[in-house]
Amino acid sequence: EPEVTQTPSHQVTQMGQEVILRCVPISNHLYFYWYRQILGQKVEFLVSFYNNEISEKSEIFDDQFSVERPDGSNFTLKIRSTKLEDSAMYFCASSRTGGRLGELFFGEGSRLTVL
Amino acid sequence: GENVEQHPSTLSVQEGDSAVIKCTYSDSASNYFPWYKQELGKRPQLIIDIRSNVGEKKDQRIAVTLNKTAKHFSLHITETQPEDSAVYFCAALGDDYKLSFGAGTTVTVRA
Repeated sequence: EPEVTQTPSHQVTQMGQEVILRCVPISNHLYFYWYRQILGQKVEFLVSFYNNEISEKSEIFDDQFSVERPDGSNFTLKIRSTKLEDSAMYFCASSRTGGRLGELFFGEGSRLTVL
Repeated sequence: GENVEQHPSTLSVQEGDSAVIKCTYSDSASNYFPWYKQELGKRPQLIIDIRSNVGEKKDQRIAVTLNKTAKHFSLHITETQPEDSAVYFCAALGDDYKLSFGAGTTVTVRA
């Protein structure tokens, strides 16, 4: 069964460093998302991406965050200058149809620890 | 945007008993309501979903009900088993096409 894959599974970084989290969505999916889950809290929407551009972003997704689809398969989340409060599990998700039709398929997550 | 409230935050049940988790939402335009099960350190996994043209949906021991007028939906797990122990999240797809999650319910099934 096709899956969303994410790398790395865990990254430890120093405050102020740049981090890139990578995702490979399911191949025939068109809508891509990043969600964040701080330990013990709920899953929070960060950004959605469709047709090579951001379609929606939350207030969490400030200028320090960016997303890119550099080729036909990868979808990346970059945090330019990490802060302690960026420590969380980051989930990539994809959907075939998006909008009100598509269920989301989540990756296993990338745990980011900022020291 | 959509605001999803989920109750209770923790739920402990005896094996074999039923568990019920309730959620409310704010955006009357929402019409897709998935439920996710998340085991410790793992990704949320979709266990059941319901769309607004349906009032109830059942899949083996799991059922979900939706009341669009009252803007609430519930997850029912019958004949609970130890492997049902996990955190359960409800979610609603709002008019802005973002999936908004509830705060989660930690379910513990006592053997």
